[in-house]
Amino acid sequence: GNSVTQMEGPVTLSEEAFLTINCTYTATGYPSLFWYVQYPGEGLQLLLKATKADDKGSNKGFEATYRKETTSFHLEKGSVQVSDSAVYFCALALTGRRALTFGSGTRLQVQP
Amino acid sequence: DSGVTQTPKHLITATGQRVTLRCSPRSGDLSVYWYQQSLDQGLQFLIQYYNGEERAKGNILERFSAQQFPDLHSELNLSSLELGDSALYFCASSVAQGESNEKLFFGSGTQLSVL
Repeated sequence: GNSVTQMEGPVTLSEEAFLTINCTYTATGYPSLFWYVQYPGEGLQLLLKATKADDKGSNKGFEATYRKETTSFHLEKGSVQVSDSAVYFCALALTGRRALTFGSGTRLQVQP
Repeated sequence: DSGVTQTPKHLITATGQRVTLRCSPRSGDLSVYWYQQSLDQGLQFLIQYYNGEERAKGNILERFSAQQFPDLHSELNLSSLELGDSALYFCASSVAQGESNEKLFFGSGTQLSVL
């Protein structure tokens, strides 16, 4: 089946630290890959996406590269801010399958 | 603000009861998705409707049902509620039927507590 595995949280960092949240996937076809972010008390928002191998998605200083050879889509940011504190979800969607499959989410806490 | 409206924000009820959750999609969006978020199961896809018709089904229990009305709003009906149904229920919408690279817009959710 199709699945997404994320690193366990919470991840606690100091402001301006480098962030990596690991995400690997298993899929029967060639999925599109996404990172969604959930701020406290809100719904999920699309952060970035990549639709084919070697694509790099980027937004608000966050980046992730679609690595087909390692079936990974790790999220990175060079310098985190307190306002980045949220839960981050990695997700995939297959062509012809209309629903996203989400990972379990990784909580990020950034301390000043 | 995603443009997706969910009501109510919070719902407290007892086991065995029935509740209805409501979702209004973004203006112009034809697809509505329902997701359940719980601590032990994470985010689980329940069901999708497109322009009034059911398009995809996920891990939705037989006690649960949904529909999408001509004005495109959707309702999720949960019956014979159990303690384990306590969760955050999200609605999401998108413009089209759900291509693999399509962006979903999520509402802020309905927190259901079954006591």
